[in-house]
Amino acid sequence: DTEVTQTPKHLVMGMTNKKSLKCEQHMGHRAMYWYKQKAKKPPELMFVYSYEKLSINESVPSRFSPECPNSSLLNLHLHALQPEDSALYLCASSHQLAGGSSYNEQFFGPGTRLTVL
Amino acid sequence: EDQVTQSPEALRLQEGESSSLNCSYTVSGLRGLFWYRQDPGKGPEFLFTLYSAGEEKEKERLKATLTKKESFLHITAPKPEDSATYLCAVQARSSASKIIFGSGTRLSIRP
Repeated sequence: DTEVTQTPKHLVMGMTNKKSLKCEQHMGHRAMYWYKQKAKKPPELMFVYSYEKLSINESVPSRFSPECPNSSLLNLHLHALQPEDSALYLCASSHQLAGGSSYNEQFFGPGTRLTVL
Repeated sequence: EDQVTQSPEALRLQEGESSSLNCSYTVSGLRGLFWYRQDPGKGPEFLFTLYSAGEEKEKERLKATLTKKESFLHITAPKPEDSATYLCAVQARSSASKIIFGSGTRLSIRP
């Protein structure tokens, strides 16, 4: 299984709502990532988890809260978002963080299209 | 500062017309260079990893090459289904996790 799955595919929420994005992989990968992608722009890194611990937070606003319940699951909790947070949110995974390993490729899920009204 | 620049920004080809996409990079020690394909509204699809200058990889009509300063994605006799945005990304030896993306090349193949 070489697939990263994400749910939901689409999400519309108001600025006062609380919602969560979910990501799952069964490739035995130990590093997982959240990216944000705006139209016609490359993905921007938000968070990195390594062995279920937060490794990198790219100065993301606290209205985005990541969670890694186990090695296969990654969540992104959303609260009090702004319209400018509307974007495609991508989850990715890799074997591990690069530390001499050649297994650096990140595999991406299909994304969640988020619209904040 | 580590940087990735892709050119051209957009490319329109006739079906069967071969061409190349360019990815120029400056990085303090290259750990790996990655090519991805992305269809509109979908996640990037992994294509290739290149680790050292002189390395080449092929997949169907695509061939990726690497020098010390740039990578090329050669597309031979493309078909309309090859239309997509192609993203190049690099990982520096100093980074255990972060990959830096270029802005991509939007490729359109006309039948």
